[in-house]
Formats: sequence, C-alpha cells, structure tokens
Amino acid sequence: KQEVTQIPAALSVPEGENLVLNCSFTDSAIYNLQWFRQDPGKGLTSLLLIQSSQREQTSGRLNASLDKSSGRSTLYIAASQPGDSATYLCAGGTGANSKLTFGKGITLSVRP
Amino acid sequence: DTGVSQDPRHKITKRGQNVTFRCDPISEHNRLYWYRQTLGQGPEFLTYFQNEAQLEKSRLLSDRFSAERPKGSFSTLEIQRTEQGDSAMYLCASSPMLGQNSPLHFGNGTRLTVT
Repeated sequence: KQEVTQIPAALSVPEGENLVLNCSFTDSAIYNLQWFRQDPGKGLTSLLLIQSSQREQTSGRLNASLDKSSGRSTLYIAASQPGDSATYLCAGGTGANSKLTFGKGITLSVRP
Repeated sequence: DTGVSQDPRHKITKRGQNVTFRCDPISEHNRLYWYRQTLGQGPEFLTYFQNEAQLEKSRLLSDRFSAERPKGSFSTLEIQRTEQGDSAMYLCASSPMLGQNSPLHFGNGTRLTVT
C-alpha cells in the first residue's frame, strides 16, 4: 500500500527566496507523481506530473524531480512570491487508473 | 474546457438526513473520481468510474454511500443517514484515458457539514 509523507507541515519564507518542498513515498513501483496546489476552501490545481520514466518536469518557476530508488520527490519554487502562498500536495499514482494517494500537504506562507 | 463543476458548493444537513452531490466533469473525460478531504489531511480516494462503469470503490465507502454515472457524463454521490463523521469536503476529479500523462483535474468541491 502506497504511503505518502510531506514534512514539514508548514513553512514560512520571505519573498524572493528559492525553496524546496519535499515528498517521500513508500512504493517505488510508482506510476506517476503529481504536485498540486490548493488555496483555502478550493479544489486542487495540478502543477506538474512526472511519469515513472522521467526524472523531472519544469513549468515556469516550478521544477519537480522524482527519484524512485530513494522514494523521494521535490518541488522547487524559484523566486517565491506572496501569491505562491497555498498548500502544496504531492500524490503518487500506482496504476494506470490514475488513482492517487496523497500526502497531507505543506502549507507555504511567503512573507512580503 | 470549462473545468470540473460541482454542486452545491456548501451543504449543511442534520444528522440522519440524506444528501446528494453532483459533479460535471470536463467534457470527453472518460474517467471520473470522488475523493474526500478532512481538515489538515490530503484527499482520500473514494471511488472511480471509467465511462459509466464504477471500477473501484474504497473501503472508506460504506454502504451508506452510493455513486452513479448513468450516462458516462455527470456523476452523483449520495450519502444516506448522514453522520457527523461524514462532515468533509467532497472533491470530484476527471481525466482523459491517456495513461501516464493524464493529470487529474479537480473541481472546487462540496463542503458538507452534518449537525
């Protein structure tokens, strides 16, 4: 059974800082790894999806990596902005049905 | 692409009542998922459909819960005899059936409060 862990639960950084959010998973037979953003009271917005055969994906100021052997993924945010404040969740897919197992998320606060 | 739509956004009900939620996925998305999220937790998988067929149900989905997708388009999730422990955000997501490169698209959820 896949288990996904995100530590720490919360993070506060000053504007402009580069930061890394960590995610670990227990089942290395992961099908894909997705990162999502969730604003308070809202649904989830997909940020990046990394297939099991890939090492990383980039979109704008975001870069996500996947290391299946160590069971880790990271989300790198460059030049953070107050608008990046949100909860970031990672989720592992373990089959072609795209069913995901989520971590609890990291609540990021970027201070102006 | 108008996104995944969920209705209602909020529902307050008394314990023991039945409630029904609706989800309209992105058109032409074959797959539809229901998740439940409680405060401070990540979403937990409840069930998923491929077209009109319900292919998997979580053990979280007790016999008080039923989901349908009658024509392979919109879906409904019904909770009978609601309990306070059912209070949560119910999220719907959809994706095309394209294998590994198919991110899930989520709606804004229905927040259920059982008093």
